[in-house]
Amino acid sequence: GAVVSQHPSRVICKSGTSVKIECRSLDFQATTMFWYRQFPKQSLMLMATSNEGSKATYEQGVEKDKFLINHASLTLSTLTVTSAHPEDSSFYICSAARLAGFSYNEQFFGPGTRLTVL
Amino acid sequence: AQKITQTQPGMFVQEKEAVTLDCTYDTSDQSYGLFWYKQPSSGEMIFLIYQGSYDEQNATEGRYSLNFQKARKSANLVISASQLGDSAMYFCAMRALTSGTYKYIFGTGTRLKVLA
Repeated sequence: GAVVSQHPSRVICKSGTSVKIECRSLDFQATTMFWYRQFPKQSLMLMATSNEGSKATYEQGVEKDKFLINHASLTLSTLTVTSAHPEDSSFYICSAARLAGFSYNEQFFGPGTRLTVL
Repeated sequence: AQKITQTQPGMFVQEKEAVTLDCTYDTSDQSYGLFWYKQPSSGEMIFLIYQGSYDEQNATEGRYSLNFQKARKSANLVISASQLGDSAMYFCAMRALTSGTYKYIFGTGTRLKVLA
């Protein structure tokens, strides 16, 4: 099966620091990775779509300078929350979609990263 | 506009009984995909079932089946023989093509509680 990992699973940081979250597809190549944010008891909100080798496409209302996304390879995308503040505390989930040639019917989710900013 | 609507914030079902979780969608695309995911308290998103817009038969995966009614734009999830481990949050999602890029739009979710 397709496995996506996320690291770290949980992070607590002080306000003003930057936090980097890694998303890796372990056994397949992902041309596209998605980054979601989920507040407690709410749905997943797409933040950005990350394509390997190109700039990420951010959803309306998501600050690209605040949430830096890098998709350097077909198996790794990173999300950096810069100058984090308490309101950035949330559950961040990445997902990866396979290369063309496979059915685009599934995206594979990472286990999520719980960020707490003090 | 692309939208997924789940009108049931919470549902209860007795163990071993069947339960239907509602999902309606709105899209002007001819080609789209509909998904159901389970999210237990651990937070991971577990893929359950997929239905393509051109699929003529309802999708089934073990105890999960998707009641796809295209004309009504509904894609309800049916869980048969509920188990205690089915207690979780369930999200309906749609894959939509927006500005040349595929995106996944999620509903607000339904929290299912299976009673012993």
